[in-house]
Amino acid sequence: QKEVEQNSGPLSVPEGAIASLNCTYSDRGSQSFFWYRQYSGKSPELIMSIYSNGDKEDGRFTAQLNKASQYVSLLIRDSQPSDSATYLCAVNITPGNTGKLIFGQGTTLQVKP
Amino acid sequence: DVKVTQSSRYLVKRTGEKVFLECVQDMDHENMFWYRQDPGLGLRLIYFSYDVKMKEKGDIPEGYSVSREKKERFSLILESASTNQTSMYLCASSLGRGLKPQHFGDGTRLSIL
Repeated sequence: QKEVEQNSGPLSVPEGAIASLNCTYSDRGSQSFFWYRQYSGKSPELIMSIYSNGDKEDGRFTAQLNKASQYVSLLIRDSQPSDSATYLCAVNITPGNTGKLIFGQGTTLQVKP
Repeated sequence: DVKVTQSSRYLVKRTGEKVFLECVQDMDHENMFWYRQDPGLGLRLIYFSYDVKMKEKGDIPEGYSVSREKKERFSLILESASTNQTSMYLCASSLGRGLKPQHFGDGTRLSIL
């Protein structure tokens, strides 16, 4: 079983819709969780981090964490064509925040005008 | 603006050559990372460094070594290049505790013939 799993997609949504990107992880002791966005041909950029159960909102982005079910989600409200990218989920599987990250394969999001 | 600079955008080398990939950051970050990114496999950590002259193996260190003689520079060395090391190599840096990469370079696409 992969340590961090994402559906590779592509996930296609119409402009203005809510895009929901999901990620599951295997290590119950994981403490911190991150979302990176990677445009085609570009490097990843860190867009969200979440450390405790519940929701964390930043503009049109909301990260959701459910440690009991071992999943983390990224919601993008009012999706725009400029949100079209691959979204990488990353998990710190070491207790505390000092361990290295394990990345999922990424989900490709396509927002159609 | 923060900057992580990788010395080459594209590089073509021959099997058996010793290959050097250079990375420089101008943000006085303690932590620096080398990842490789392959389709279907996502981002995988090769090595990281949390201080000058300090280095730690990541998930796939075999066939690689690193050097960090100055805080701003982190070099990745392929001791004897092989075709299975053809990949996109990404350097990243971050500040403080917690080993999440915050800023990535543009990447080096390395082809080993």
